[in-house]
Amino acid sequence: RKEVEQDPGPFNVPEGATVAFNCTYSNSASQSFFWYRQDCRKEPKLLMSVYSSGNEDGRFTAQLNRASQYISLLIRDSKLSDSATYLCVVKQAGNTPLVFGKGTRLSVIA
Amino acid sequence: GAVVSQHPSWVICKSGTSVKIECRSLDFQATTMFWYRQFPKQSLMLMATSNEGSKATYEQGVEKDKFLINHASLTLSTLTVTSAHPEDSSFYICSALRFAKNIQYFGAGTRLSVL
Repeated sequence: RKEVEQDPGPFNVPEGATVAFNCTYSNSASQSFFWYRQDCRKEPKLLMSVYSSGNEDGRFTAQLNRASQYISLLIRDSKLSDSATYLCVVKQAGNTPLVFGKGTRLSVIA
Repeated sequence: GAVVSQHPSWVICKSGTSVKIECRSLDFQATTMFWYRQFPKQSLMLMATSNEGSKATYEQGVEKDKFLINHASLTLSTLTVTSAHPEDSSFYICSALRFAKNIQYFGAGTRLSVL
């Protein structure tokens, strides 16, 4: 079983739509949680960290459920520029590497 | 601006040659750097953890004699793909761990094409 699992998509949505991505992780020792965005042929870039209490950054809302080892990302009012691959990422404590999911591809259509 | 510089960004080489990729942390010291590889439509997969002044730790299935890692200073780690073959063609990305903030910063990646 992969350590981080995501629905690969693609999700094709019209501009202005709300879209939700889900992710599950298998390692209960995971301590930090993130959503990254990756554009084609580019390095991943941090979108937001994810906290147990849930957190919001503009049109983006992230949720974490430690009991069920589940992470979500909600994007409201989708823009064309949101088209990218969204990577669910977890990390254990200390000098440990980020562990990436395979990503969910989003295409926002005019 | 970028806090991690990775060079080159793109390289094409003939089968059997060696390719060196450099990863530099620009404004902080990084005792730990990570090397990832990403094949098309796949996830970033960790290849190895590079520790300054000591041997790298390789993930299962990654040949340490083929992917040589040198982390000789607190700001530079290099990955050398030795005797490259077409199946080594991939997107290689480094990241440097800023320990004080527990944040990993990524280089822009190196796209390797082996002919």
